[in-house]
Amino acid sequence: ENVLTQSPGTLSLSPGERATLSCRASHSITTYLAWYQQKPGQAPRLLISGASRRATGIPDRFSGSGSGTDFTLTISRLEPEDSAVYYCQQHGVSPWTFGQGTRVDIK
Amino acid sequence: QVQLVESGGGLVKPGGSLRLSCAASGFRFSDYYMSWIRQAPGQGLEFVSHMSSRSTDINYADSVKGRFTISRDNAKNSLYLQMNSLRADDTAVYYCASPTMGWGQGTLVTVAS
Repeated sequence: ENVLTQSPGTLSLSPGERATLSCRASHSITTYLAWYQQKPGQAPRLLISGASRRATGIPDRFSGSGSGTDFTLTISRLEPEDSAVYYCQQHGVSPWTFGQGTRVDIK
Repeated sequence: QVQLVESGGGLVKPGGSLRLSCAASGFRFSDYYMSWIRQAPGQGLEFVSHMSSRSTDINYADSVKGRFTISRDNAKNSLYLQMNSLRADDTAVYYCASPTMGWGQGTLVTVAS
């Protein structure tokens, strides 16, 4: 199984600051990686597919990068509504797997 | 816009069965891999099963192998999950999902006596 490890577990930042979230795969997945945002009581929302492609309607302050085993989600200027848990998912190797999530708290 | 709408969840006794459905719209459903993902209360996301666009590539999590069956009908833009021999630890919100197109709002499955 391709294990995805997300770091850090929690990020506590102020509005306007930059958030950098990491996702590391135990085996290469080229760019078969997606990022999701989940707020309490809501379904996950697709932010990024193909490691770097923003989904429809996602603000350009969200960006994804990486390939192979190391991936990054960057939120360039945090806004209060960005408070959520962020998950990465790989769909390059079966079974598809998820990271354990990074919680982003806005101070 | 992309819409995925799940149905079929509910309360079922251990050992029982349920069939989940997912109706897709707003994109060319027949071109995409689709999956079922679940989330137990207060927990993270867990892959359940995926199926390729032509139903040739199918995979299941070990926890559901032999009990759950994924299927799709591209003519009806629909994805299904037949769940048999349900257990208490199958209790979760089940999502119909594409890693490139998006997710539905989920349907709750509760397995309890």
